[in-house]
Amino acid sequence: DQQVKQNSPSLSVQEGRISILNCDYTNSMFDYFLWYKKYPAEGPTFLISISSIKDKNEDGRFTVFLNKSAKHLSLHIVPSQPGDSAVYFCAAGGGGSNYKLTFGKGTLLTVNP
Amino acid sequence: EAQVTQNPRYLITVTGKKLTVTCSQNMNHEYMSWYRQDPGLGLRQIYYSMNVEVTDKGDVPEGYKVSRKEKRNFPLILESPSPNQTSLYFCASSLNRGNTEAFFGQGTRLTVV
Repeated sequence: DQQVKQNSPSLSVQEGRISILNCDYTNSMFDYFLWYKKYPAEGPTFLISISSIKDKNEDGRFTVFLNKSAKHLSLHIVPSQPGDSAVYFCAAGGGGSNYKLTFGKGTLLTVNP
Repeated sequence: EAQVTQNPRYLITVTGKKLTVTCSQNMNHEYMSWYRQDPGLGLRQIYYSMNVEVTDKGDVPEGYKVSRKEKRNFPLILESPSPNQTSLYFCASSLNRGNTEAFFGQGTRLTVV
């Protein structure tokens, strides 16, 4: 049972436009959510997170929105840059006695110059 | 520099030959985890450790062992590797339980023939 779903394996956008990456989850016990970015031949790097008590968190060009009732979160990148081209993983955690992050399968973002 | 270091980065081995992938972090983090990344499956947790001498299974622990004798080190042991363990492995650490990001190593690409 996949608890964190990223239904779009890939996304292509033009430089300067907005990129929107989506993530759905099924476990209502999750209480924090993170986005990671991964370049080829490197480990994932933390991008931005949000707690379940918030509905928005912003960091520069990156904004994460959380809709708890829909069990949906999204990452907005504005404006998109070619250097943003990478695989983006959504992750969720909390809600239990153990530390654990559950990851989605990832979305490959390509930003075209 | 804060980092998670994995060794080796690349390894080709034969079925049944025991191997260990080392992981070390210099951030005094309590929590450490191992993940494997496979095409179409994203990141799946193998084992995690909440502190020294405290380890537990993740989602895909079969065929793996871990140990946590010191806070900084969390080796992954494959007692009898099989071809289905060919994968990209990541070690991660984080400060403590809660809304904290995980820091990932650079990855170990393992091929079992």
